[in-house]
Amino acid sequence: QQQVKQSPQSLIVQKGGISIINCAYENTAFDYFPWYQQFPGKGPALLIAIRPDVSEKKEGRFTISFNKSAKQFSLHIMDSQPGDSATYFCAAYFAGNMLTFGGGTRLMVKP
Amino acid sequence: GAGVSQTPSNKVTEKGKYVELRCDPISGHTALYWYRQSLGQGPEFLIYFQGTGAADDSGLPNDRFFAVRPEGSVSTLKIQRTERGDSAVYLCASSHGTSGVETQYFGPGTRLLVL
Repeated sequence: QQQVKQSPQSLIVQKGGISIINCAYENTAFDYFPWYQQFPGKGPALLIAIRPDVSEKKEGRFTISFNKSAKQFSLHIMDSQPGDSATYFCAAYFAGNMLTFGGGTRLMVKP
Repeated sequence: GAGVSQTPSNKVTEKGKYVELRCDPISGHTALYWYRQSLGQGPEFLIYFQGTGAADDSGLPNDRFFAVRPEGSVSTLKIQRTERGDSAVYLCASSHGTSGVETQYFGPGTRLLVL
């Protein structure tokens, strides 16, 4: 059973636009929600993460919005750049356990 | 500092053969994870080590898969009687393993192709 659902599967955005990726989870025991960025041929790299006691976290052009009651969270990439073109994975985790990943979103930012 | 390294980067084998995939975690990290990533999908958990022992091996798909970490550092994922369905990228990650929620740092993966 997929515990973290991610959408859309692919996304095309113009340079300077906002990229939005959404995730929903089922297990209320999750207490840490990271986003990973993966370039072709590379392993996933942590981009930004949030705990459920916070509704929003911003780091540079990247913002996570978190809705605990709806069990949903999203990644917003402001002023998207061609260098942001990659696959993005949301994930969920609780201490001492493994990461549960969403299916991924392939982002393409057109110049 | 050095990140997580994995060898080989690519492995091509024939159906029925045995393969070993190696992971060198970040120095000092006691927690080590193996994940498997099929084409176009997110990584799926296989096994988690805390020190030398497997704390959670619930993700191993069957008894053809086995992993060890004898000295609490390097880990080897072993796959017996490989099948075409085993073709995937095998990712290793490590974390400090000292408390609560921690960032997992991933290696570049080993791309396994079973012909």
